Amino acid sequence: GQNIDQPTEMTATEGAIVQINCTYQTSGFNGLFWYQQHAGEAPTFLSYNVLDGLEEKGRFSSFLSRSKGYSYLLLKELQMKDSASYLCAVRDHSGAGSYQLTFGKGTKLSVIP
Amino acid sequence: GAVVSQHPSWVICKSGTSVKIECRSLDFQATTMFWYRQFPKQSLMLMATSNEGSKATYEQGVEKDKFLINHASLTLSTLTVTSAHPEDSSFYICSAILHDSAEVFEQYFGPGTRLTVT
Repeated sequence: GQNIDQPTEMTATEGAIVQINCTYQTSGFNGLFWYQQHAGEAPTFLSYNVLDGLEEKGRFSSFLSRSKGYSYLLLKELQMKDSASYLCAVRDHSGAGSYQLTFGKGTKLSVIP
Repeated sequence: GAVVSQHPSWVICKSGTSVKIECRSLDFQATTMFWYRQFPKQSLMLMATSNEGSKATYEQGVEKDKFLINHASLTLSTLTVTSAHPEDSSFYICSAILHDSAEVFEQYFGPGTRLTVT
């Protein structure tokens, strides 16, 4: 199974940069996803990392280090609408199929003026 | 982009009754769909993997006789909560796999169904 750990809550100022960390332990790593989830809504896909390094996508970037079992999501030029929960999810080579995701508990980000 | 819908978006039912939730992939075919449950302030917990034309695979601790899953076509999976109890009140979310050319196998999530059992 997996053990995924991320901070419960974070607060940052509009226009600033925030980094949300995620550490994981898994027996057969097959990709790491970041999702954004607003309260009462379904998660929306932000990024996917399967190799080490940084993936940049507009204001959002995601980094992965497989040897350290570590990823972070970097949000630049924060906007009020970025206030949401950010979920780290790991996929492994599970017996039931290689597409299952295990989600962390999510980091609730509050952006303040 | 890929769109997944769920119906109903919210439902209130009495204890002991059954509720059916539908999950549809609107513009792509999904051989694999997932059903999750999310309690307030908690993460998504995978309940089962639904495969078209075969029996669903349930996660440990999820009662297959209580949560009936049917994946009769490549665009529709249904979850029926039988003999619902107040502790089944939760946010139920489905997702479908899009086998894209980049082989990311990204999961696209439905908007969720809020179930309240009174």
